[in-house]
Amino acid sequence: DVKVTQSSRYLVKRTGEKVFLECVQDMDHENMFWYRQDPGLGLRLIYFSYDVKMKEKGDIPEGYSVSREKKERFSLILESASTNQTSMYLCASSLVSGGYYTQYFGPGTRLTVL
Amino acid sequence: DAKTTQPNSMESNEEEPVHLPCNHSTISGTDYIHWYRQLPSQGPEYVIHGLTSNVNNRMASLAIAEDRKSSTLILHRATLRDAAVYYCILRDVVKNSGGSNYKLTFGKGTLLTVNP
Repeated sequence: DVKVTQSSRYLVKRTGEKVFLECVQDMDHENMFWYRQDPGLGLRLIYFSYDVKMKEKGDIPEGYSVSREKKERFSLILESASTNQTSMYLCASSLVSGGYYTQYFGPGTRLTVL
Repeated sequence: DAKTTQPNSMESNEEEPVHLPCNHSTISGTDYIHWYRQLPSQGPEYVIHGLTSNVNNRMASLAIAEDRKSSTLILHRATLRDAAVYYCILRDVVKNSGGSNYKLTFGKGTLLTVNP
């Protein structure tokens, strides 16, 4: 079974702190993704990566950066956390086969910024 | 970006079939239709995908209109564990210096409530 793990299920940080969210997948997938999910807004894509050291902005990249130094690991960084970044953060990896996608999601990290 | 339209919510009774509709009138000829669902307090999970022909798997069936402008996810016998948000998604093309890559854009989906 594919496994996508995230470093924490719950995280509480203070405004202005630097926050690292880690995601690891064990299936040698090329593509990895970071989403945030807020009530009434659905899932919104922050960043994604289709290869080591490669990244693409998603729909809401402002206030975030990412790092992918190894194929299995994709990190989301909040350089200076703000209260409006309180959210559920979901990581995913995907297998690309032909024209269809199968994305596998981690359990999510609920981040609260005070 | 390819777009889909789904009802915000639907309701069903346990052990009855559920038909979840999706419109995707701007679909291109090579776009696969993907369905995911998100159970409460969990990340989304893959349900099914299809291109032109109807598809069946252990979770659901996917019926695709002949013109491909709409599709329907069918749960043959809804259970309480099927209560979730269901997303119908087409892939988006992302052009970059290396060529093209793809991503999935999740909309708000359909919230399915299953009554006992």
